[in-house]
Amino acid sequence: ETGVTQSPTHLIKTRGQQVTLRCSSQSGHNTVSWYQQALGQGPQFIFQYYREEENGRGNFPPRFSGLQFPNYSSELNVNALELDDSALYLCASSLEGENTDTQYFGPGTRLTVL
Amino acid sequence: AQSVTQLGSHVSVSEGALVLLRCNYSSSVPPYLFWYVQYPNQGLQLLLKYTTGATLVKGINGFEAEFKKSETSFHLTKPSAHMSDAAEYFCAVSAFNFGNEKLTFGTGTRLTIIP
Repeated sequence: ETGVTQSPTHLIKTRGQQVTLRCSSQSGHNTVSWYQQALGQGPQFIFQYYREEENGRGNFPPRFSGLQFPNYSSELNVNALELDDSALYLCASSLEGENTDTQYFGPGTRLTVL
Repeated sequence: AQSVTQLGSHVSVSEGALVLLRCNYSSSVPPYLFWYVQYPNQGLQLLLKYTTGATLVKGINGFEAEFKKSETSFHLTKPSAHMSDAAEYFCAVSAFNFGNEKLTFGTGTRLTIIP
């Protein structure tokens, strides 16, 4: 049990729609990262937020955006959904302090785009 | 830039046998190395990590890994496999930079345990 929760568990959308995925971390976890895991692949880094500011981004287009809130929750927004966006989306948070090298993952949201 | 190569997308071992999952990394700076396990339809659980210090790292569930800088390797081992070890295993690397702990993952190794 990592203390990181994600909602919803599963989601089905159609191409062109927009989606918002949510993540809730533990108190003190000021860094949150989002990853996309396509079927049969390892997770790919989308972006990271630290104290509500974007702090690094992977090779994902601008239609992937995020927000982080003071209450240790965060969102991943994806606009103009494409079929290739179908994947498991994972959020991971880090405790500020001596263990910032360790990321705690949530169970993920499985997004299916039809 | 950093990368991870996991040799063998599928590994099968008999129950009670040695588990060896291979991971090689590439990093231009001293790496932090991790092994995560993923059970079906679940997120990632940290097994163990190497940051600095002792190169033999012990993790949960009887797993351990050894950081070998000369071989750029971080292989995961367990002396005796158990049926509950069947899962997907991911090796990952990061370069610690305060507030920017991006993980770069390998493509994973699916471990099957034969009764």
